[in-house]
Amino acid sequence: DAKTTQPPSMDCAEGRAANLPCNHSTISGNEYVYWYRQIHSQGPQYIIHGLKNNETNEMASLIITEDRKSSTLILPHATLRDTAVYYCIVRPYSGNTPLVFGKGTRLSVIA
Amino acid sequence: NAGVTQTPKFQVLKTGQSMTLQCAQDMNHNSMYWYRQDPGMGLRLIYYSASEGTTDKGEVPNGYNVSRLNKREFSLRLESAAPSQTSVYFCASSEGGARQGARETQYFGPGTRLLVL
Repeated sequence: DAKTTQPPSMDCAEGRAANLPCNHSTISGNEYVYWYRQIHSQGPQYIIHGLKNNETNEMASLIITEDRKSSTLILPHATLRDTAVYYCIVRPYSGNTPLVFGKGTRLSVIA
Repeated sequence: NAGVTQTPKFQVLKTGQSMTLQCAQDMNHNSMYWYRQDPGMGLRLIYYSASEGTTDKGEVPNGYNVSRLNKREFSLRLESAAPSQTSVYFCASSEGGARQGARETQYFGPGTRLLVL
């Protein structure tokens, strides 16, 4: 079973920031938080990951609470092409542990 | 650099028929994975290969077999297809190796859409 909880769907106006929450209250000290997204029927695409510090890359920002029990993925200026299902995944640091996908959040960006 | 490629893109089978889904990556990755995705659901891991010569079961391995043919190729075989195996199948690869730790990023192929009648 997925170790994360996400809302099933969210809407966001084009050009506005999209804030996608994720609850991972049982996260262990050696587990990272990963975010992937899946646009329509394509294969999932990696977005970002983090351990305890906030992270930013060209696609998004990841804010992890101090207790690491939840996080928020931020798309700063959502576009129509960001409409997708977003998956929040926790994974141990070491070894080749595969990703476990839940149902994710379906983000609809509206013009 | 094609990334992860999968063949075929679409396939229709009759119950009881067998087939092999092919996956290849050109990124010199050590680890490869097979997932299935049913309508409205997230991806579920079928099998994975952490390195050439090794394979391990995932969440839903029943009814499937895999072969890590070499470092580039990882095939998924359905010996006797059933309607419950109608799904979209995704192959993925990652750099792998314990030294990579959490810096693992999986790269996914475009998927194979399988219909079993």
